[in-house]
Amino acid sequence: QVQLVESGGGVVQPGRSLRLSCEASGFTFSSYGMHWVRQAPGKGLEWVATMSYDGDNEYYADSVKGRFTISRDDSKKTVFLRLNSLRPEDTAVYYCARDDYYGNSRFEYWGQGTLVTVSS
Amino acid sequence: SYVLTQPPSVSVAPGQTATITCGGNNRGSKSVNWYQQKPGQAPVLVVYDDGDRPSGIPERFSGSNSGNTATLTINRVDAGDEADYYCQVWDSPNSQVVFGGGTKLTVL
Repeated sequence: QVQLVESGGGVVQPGRSLRLSCEASGFTFSSYGMHWVRQAPGKGLEWVATMSYDGDNEYYADSVKGRFTISRDDSKKTVFLRLNSLRPEDTAVYYCARDDYYGNSRFEYWGQGTLVTVSS
Repeated sequence: SYVLTQPPSVSVAPGQTATITCGGNNRGSKSVNWYQQKPGQAPVLVVYDDGDRPSGIPERFSGSNSGNTATLTINRVDAGDEADYYCQVWDSPNSQVVFGGGTKLTVL
């Protein structure tokens, strides 16, 4: 069955960096686009970034553009999110999610999330 | 940027029908997906492409689209349906995913 397991969250000071990982299993990873979505405490879902199945296209929310970078390593079946210049408002649970086979930008499967807390 | 508008809350008695709306300008050409999120859990896709259901989602969940408003309908609501529900589209002109603000469904 499809599984997505995030890791790399923690407490970090403002201005510092963090790298999140999402390891996939149960499907042909190289055939699917992958996404990151976050949820601040008590708030709604906010899309963060998307990478196409072939790595040729990446898209970002305006709130993170220029600070966050999505990447993937198909040999490790893992998608990453590099978070630079972190701000307190980046505090959230970060979920990775898998797209559908045709890249329709819908989130068919989700991981359980990893919490990032930005605080001094 | 594109905005999807949902009511913050909807309340319904057990056994009744819950309807949750999702509005957006020129939304008609955008397919809408719906997610259910229970406290402390990751979201789950319950309806995609306006009205299709993933395998394993009960037939009580359905979706529709009319003009600038998409609707999630849950028939014969029970306590297990109490959750936050989010609509979502792909805003192709801006190459961005957009979520609605979410609707908290309370089963009375």
